[in-house]
Amino acid sequence: EVQLVESGGGLVQPGGSLRVSCAASGFTVSSNYMSWVRQAPGKGLEWVSVIYSAGNTDYADSVKGRFTISRDNSKNTVYLQMNSLRAEDTAMYYCARDQGCSGGSCRMKWFDPWGQGTLVTVSS
Amino acid sequence: QSVLTQPPSVSGAPGQRVTISCTGSSSNIGAGYDVHWYQQLPGTAPKVLIYANSNRPSGVPDRFSGSKSGTSASLAITGLQAEDEADYYCQSYDSSLSAWVFGGGTKLTVL
Repeated sequence: EVQLVESGGGLVQPGGSLRVSCAASGFTVSSNYMSWVRQAPGKGLEWVSVIYSAGNTDYADSVKGRFTISRDNSKNTVYLQMNSLRAEDTAMYYCARDQGCSGGSCRMKWFDPWGQGTLVTVSS
Repeated sequence: QSVLTQPPSVSGAPGQRVTISCTGSSSNIGAGYDVHWYQQLPGTAPKVLIYANSNRPSGVPDRFSGSKSGTSASLAITGLQAEDEADYYCQSYDSSLSAWVFGGGTKLTVL
């Protein structure tokens, strides 16, 4: 069964750092494209970052320069390192597998499956 | 303000048909990028309902259907059931932002 399990969320002060994890089972993360999507309390969904099978990465403008996505192939786990956190980064963070990438292009992609999410709260 | 515009809420009685619109622009839906739909039940993670405009993953009832035309897309739900009460999101790619974007979400209430 394909499954994603996030962990590592919690309360952090503004300006602080936190790393959240996404452990995958049923498939190999290094052979797939993996994304992080977040949802602020009571709000909609926002794509945050992607790591491609070749290891290259991409970020939303709102987190570029502050967040870093990575993976550990031996643990079949994807990470999101979040630095210089702001109140507006408070959200449930979901990891998801990208689907529908073709010929090196992922512009048509969708996200499936999703993990259950891990809550990050940035507050003093 | 989301790049893709959805109505905040829709409602319908059991057995009725409802539609949820998703309006974009020439840099996303109008540029030919696929539209996907997600269902988020209360307190749970989103789940893909329709992918690539009109395709249903296995296990999704055929009461759910999607379409796309021009700069807009629609999700239709027929034979409404109480279990359909959820938030629904559309998603596409925006070439101006170089990012995957979502609609603001639509809350479906089954009366």
